[in-house]
Amino acid sequence: QSALTQPASVSGSPGQSITISCTGTSSDVGGYNYVSWYQQHPGKAPKLKIYDVSKRPSGVSNRFSGSKSGNTASLTISGLQAEDEADYYCSSYTSSSTYVFGTGTKVTVL
Amino acid sequence: QVQLVESGGGLVKPGGSLRLSCAASGFTFSDYYMNWIRQAPGKGLEWVSYITSSGSNVYYADSVKGRFTISRDNAKNSLFLQMNSLRAEDTAVYYCARDSSSWYLGVWGQGTTVTVSS
Repeated sequence: QSALTQPASVSGSPGQSITISCTGTSSDVGGYNYVSWYQQHPGKAPKLKIYDVSKRPSGVSNRFSGSKSGNTASLTISGLQAEDEADYYCSSYTSSSTYVFGTGTKVTVL
Repeated sequence: QVQLVESGGGLVKPGGSLRLSCAASGFTFSDYYMNWIRQAPGKGLEWVSYITSSGSNVYYADSVKGRFTISRDNAKNSLFLQMNSLRAEDTAVYYCARDSSSWYLGVWGQGTTVTVSS
């Protein structure tokens, strides 16, 4: 199972919006509405930000939103803040009844 | 509160074995599928394995199939990963994570570090 494809890095200024893409295949991202997104700060465990493509867990800021079109899912962070600087990973359920993660995107707040 | 605590990591020689544990608390452990995910130094997340709530079904990434075995003890609220025939490329932080009814990982432990080196 190949990793989902994400851009290596995305940057933006405070207050701006950024979007991270996550491209897979019809056997994962495109085949199921089970895409989730995780934020990971250095030396810390990942934290769930989005599940089921666009749902936010309780306590997650509404500045985080998700969407999907075909085999590509996206995470948008609006009103970028310094605390959003972290690595972000997408994940999807697959037709093999397994999980696959994305390659990861480093978000830099300029 | 809901918590997962991994243990058992350490330094092991190539070809050696190690058993990781994950202690769960604050929720009904037997209701949930459980996963192991790893992260090599400076690299991304890699899903390793999951086990269904009863333990009746298990799934593995191709990279560990035949070498790693996931198991659980619902009476002791514990998840395990038996790792055999370890290779240098298995060096990573290993996280246990709680699954959901909708295929996402909502709760993660802090991780335990495994280093495979001679």
